[in-house]
Amino acid sequence: QKEVEQNSGPLSVPEGAIASLNCTYSDRVSQSFFWYRQYSGKSPELIMSIYSNGDKEDGRFTAQLNKASQYVSLLIRDSQPSDSATYLCAVNFNSNSGYALNFGKGTSLLVTP
Amino acid sequence: DTGVSQDPRHKITKRGQNVTFRCDPISEHNRLYWYRQTLGQGPEFLTYFQNEAQLEKSRLLSDRFSAERPKGSFSTLEIQRTEQGDSAMYLCASSFSAGTYEQYFGPGTRLTVT
Repeated sequence: QKEVEQNSGPLSVPEGAIASLNCTYSDRVSQSFFWYRQYSGKSPELIMSIYSNGDKEDGRFTAQLNKASQYVSLLIRDSQPSDSATYLCAVNFNSNSGYALNFGKGTSLLVTP
Repeated sequence: DTGVSQDPRHKITKRGQNVTFRCDPISEHNRLYWYRQTLGQGPEFLTYFQNEAQLEKSRLLSDRFSAERPKGSFSTLEIQRTEQGDSAMYLCASSFSAGTYEQYFGPGTRLTVT
């Protein structure tokens, strides 16, 4: 069973702090990793993708990937109340047949003013 | 560049009725995916198309579910003989078939079966 695991939270951080969101996955051959943000009642919004080991930065967001440890994380610097949402980790397990994404249950982030 | 659109946004139906949802992908994208999301869970993959070909179906897609993409553009997802357990958000996403494979989601169709 291929799985994506996230701590459900809620993770509470003060405004201006760094929020750190973590995700582990079960399949060593996974190639593609994504972070989505989902506000309550809305659909997931892609915020980061990462494909190789190391860090990838985009504005206030940094994704980190460690394939040996089967671990991917998302750092949000200078957290704002508008960042309060559920963050979904998604992994493409690179199966022979398709490109389906496997999602974790999401981590709820609350940024307090 | 318009995003993925879905119609309707909300659907309330009685158990046993059939429902059909539509998805229009981003115009340059030739891959189209359907997912289902229930409260407190991440989206679960249902099926995907490359152009008009349905290339993968999840075991979640029972025989009451059928999806089509007849001309490789928009797609429909039909649920026959709806059950209360079908109540969920049905999400459509699209992507290119080469490059980064990033999937972009539409706003979803929220189905309530009473």
